[in-house]
Amino acid sequence: QKEVEQNSGPLSVPEGAIASLNCTYSDRGSQSFFWYRQYSGKSPELIMFIYSNGDKEDGRFTAQLNKASQYVSLLIRDSQPSDSATYLCAATSGGYNKLIFGAGTRLAVHP
Amino acid sequence: GAGVSQTPSNKVTEKGKYVELRCDPISGHTALYWYRQSLGQGPEFLIYFQGTGAADDSGLPNDRFFAVRPEGSVSTLKIQRTERGDSAVYLCASSLQAGGFDEQFFGPGTRLTVL
Repeated sequence: QKEVEQNSGPLSVPEGAIASLNCTYSDRGSQSFFWYRQYSGKSPELIMFIYSNGDKEDGRFTAQLNKASQYVSLLIRDSQPSDSATYLCAATSGGYNKLIFGAGTRLAVHP
Repeated sequence: GAGVSQTPSNKVTEKGKYVELRCDPISGHTALYWYRQSLGQGPEFLIYFQGTGAADDSGLPNDRFFAVRPEGSVSTLKIQRTERGDSAVYLCASSLQAGGFDEQFFGPGTRLTVL
């Protein structure tokens, strides 16, 4: 069974701090990795994807991938209360189309 | 433009009944996916279509679940003899094409409750 593991949280950070979200995956064949944000009662929306080892930055968000350690992370700089949501990590499996999701980490940014 | 739409938004049914859930993908998207999300869990892959054909149905839990996409656009997920354990939010997503790194855009979901 291919799995993606995340800490369920909640991860609580003060406004303006850096939030660090982590994810591990079991399928060494996974090629691409995605971070989705999901507000309560809403559908997931894509924040970033990464497929090469190293860092990828987009605004306040940085995704990091280490395929040797089978580890993916998401850093959110200057966290805002509007960032409070569940963050889902996903990895491709069996090709590029099937996504395996983790259970999500709940982030709470307090003023 | 319009995003992925799903109907109904909520469906309450009784154990043993048959239900159909509909997904209308973003216009021009050739790939369509169905996921199921239970409370406190991430989405669970069910099936993916490339055009009219089901390219991967490995996530369908059993033969009570079936999905079609006859004209390569709208898809219907069909659940026979519903069970209480089928209660979940059923999410549909579409992407421009299969393969590569195309973003999957999710619809608002259908919340299914089996009494």
